Amino acid sequence: ETGVTQSPTHLIKTRGQQVTLRCSSQSGHNTVSWYQQALGQGPQFIFQYYREEENGRGNFPPRFSGLQFPNYSSELNVNALELDDSALYLCASSLVSMNTEAFFGQGTRLTVV
Amino acid sequence: AQSVTQLDSHVSVSEGTPVLLRCNYSSSYSPSLFWYVQHPNKGLQLLLKYTSAATLVKGINGFEAEFKKSETSFHLTKPSAHMSDAAEYFCVVILTGGGNKLTFGTGTQLKVEL
Repeated sequence: ETGVTQSPTHLIKTRGQQVTLRCSSQSGHNTVSWYQQALGQGPQFIFQYYREEENGRGNFPPRFSGLQFPNYSSELNVNALELDDSALYLCASSLVSMNTEAFFGQGTRLTVV
Repeated sequence: AQSVTQLDSHVSVSEGTPVLLRCNYSSSYSPSLFWYVQHPNKGLQLLLKYTSAATLVKGINGFEAEFKKSETSFHLTKPSAHMSDAAEYFCVVILTGGGNKLTFGTGTQLKVEL
């Protein structure tokens, strides 16, 4: 167990709806990153938050947005859901540094129908 | 830009035989490299990391990897496979700019047979 918890574990939404996924980071970690893992593929970087501000973003549209709270927990919000948004969403916490590893939660499996 | 290429999408070995999962990296400077493992319906677990210290890195569960700059490789090995090693393995590099933004390879599915 990494100490990173995500909720919910599974979610089914309808195309066009909005969804919020949550992540509690490991104690002492100040950075949270979100990744999307489509079926059969490696995780893709969505964005990262450090001290409540976005600290880098991958190739995802603006309808993917996030928040980080003072306790370093985080939310990922996706608006106007599309079928291709169906994936495992992974949260990772770390200390901001070039060489420290990221610790991942179990993920939220989102299915868009 | 940094990237990693995992040369095999699937590897199948017999229990008790060696494991070799291949990874090549592309980086304009000395990279930080990792191997993560993902068991079915689970999150990602760090196996080992290379951060410019010793080139031979030992990880958990008997895995190790050797950083070879001349070959731009970071292959993962284990002397003797166990059934519990069956999983998806990802070679990972940190993106330029740091901050722990990870770039994943496409993954290698390891199958261990009796």
